[in-house]
Amino acid sequence: DAGVIQSPRHEVTEMGQEVTLRCKPISGHDYLFWYRQTMMRGLELLIYFNNNVPIDDSGMPEDRFSAKMPNASFSTLKIQPSEPRDSAVYFCASSPRGGAYTEAFFGQGTRLTVV
Amino acid sequence: GQQVMQIPQYQHVQEGEDFTTYCNSSTTLSNIQWYKQRPGGHPVFLIQLVKSGEVKKQKRLTFQFGEAKKNSSLHITATQTTDVGTYFCAGPDAGNMLTFGGGTRLMVKP
Repeated sequence: DAGVIQSPRHEVTEMGQEVTLRCKPISGHDYLFWYRQTMMRGLELLIYFNNNVPIDDSGMPEDRFSAKMPNASFSTLKIQPSEPRDSAVYFCASSPRGGAYTEAFFGQGTRLTVV
Repeated sequence: GQQVMQIPQYQHVQEGEDFTTYCNSSTTLSNIQWYKQRPGGHPVFLIQLVKSGEVKKQKRLTFQFGEAKKNSSLHITATQTTDVGTYFCAGPDAGNMLTFGGGTRLMVKP
């Protein structure tokens, strides 16, 4: 298995532009997580899905952020409009089951820079 | 919500020295996981501890879970340059999903 696949690996965009980050989870994993990592706030859980259904989006910082999972093999995180403070590394992770007993498998991340 | 706090934030060591990072919670944890993130990389699962007082070893790494299940530690014996990275602990939040500590960044001088 190739693991969790994210694209793009790097994204530089201008303030106000729409940004879409993509994730392909490991096949057979029922849970998908989106995390944001910054120096100031560490690794924050933004939202997670169970069987393609969003379960908890309380970590999504603002209405500018939205996430979808149209099928079991694809998810997107969209920021519209983007702002410089959104600059961070965004990780997607998947796990075969939910709950804190289950190991999370992380993708390589997308480094987003908003100028 | 549930938070796990890690100390120290940063640690510089000379190659060959030992290193320890600590993870603390104000409430009892059902379990704790440890991850390593290499510079420029992504978090990778190392181990999970579940039992009170549990100790697990992986080569030069020793993981402990406190008797009260409120703290945990990761100890590396005789660090090597390959140990460089950030070590995270993660425990369950109020919704029983993983919440990560702030991490300890380890730097090793050759």
